[in-house]
Amino acid sequence: AQSVSQHNHHVILSEAASLELGCNYSYGGTVNLFWYVQYPGQHLQLLLKYFSGDPLVKGIKGFEAEFIKSKFSFNLRKPSVQWSDTAEYFCAVTRFYGGATNKLIFGTGTLLAVQP
Amino acid sequence: GAGVSQSPSNKVTEKGKDVELRCDPISGHTALYWYRQSLGQGLEFLIYFQGNSAPDKSGLPSDRFSAERTGGSVSTLTIQRTQQEDSAVYLCASSAQGAASGANVLTFGAGSRLTVL
Repeated sequence: AQSVSQHNHHVILSEAASLELGCNYSYGGTVNLFWYVQYPGQHLQLLLKYFSGDPLVKGIKGFEAEFIKSKFSFNLRKPSVQWSDTAEYFCAVTRFYGGATNKLIFGTGTLLAVQP
Repeated sequence: GAGVSQSPSNKVTEKGKDVELRCDPISGHTALYWYRQSLGQGLEFLIYFQGNSAPDKSGLPSDRFSAERTGGSVSTLTIQRTQQEDSAVYLCASSAQGAASGANVLTFGAGSRLTVL
């Protein structure tokens, strides 16, 4: 079955620590990759996306993610987290069929708590 | 509108009652999606609309769930004879591009939290 796996369900970090959240997917072929974030009490919003080109993509608020095709991974990173990064982070994937519908498949999310 | 609007924001109902959840997408967005967010389950796809038609309704969990979209705009998700396991946050999203492009960036609403007692 098609799936997106986020290995860390709950991460607690101190401010200024480095962050890496894992994401793996189980599709072959061409994929589009996304990270969405949900801050407390707010809507889900796009953090960054990868469609093609440079596999290292930069998003808002200093986040970046690297697409490693051979590992079917799209891990999210930030060198130094802030208290305001406390949120739930969702990895998501669409598989490009070309002509068919490509629903966005989400992982189960990682809850990040940053302690001041 | 400026964003995706969903109503009601909170709904508490009794088991066996029917509920309707409404989504008003961003003006001009042709694609509309419904997802369900349950604790520890991530976001579960329910149905996708392109215009008024639903090319993919594979995520609807049972025949108690249905959705429609009229005028290429507002969508209603209806759950009949609600069960306690239907309790979740129901999220609507829209995008300017259809799902076939694979490059569709979704804008989400705030969700409708459904509690079935």
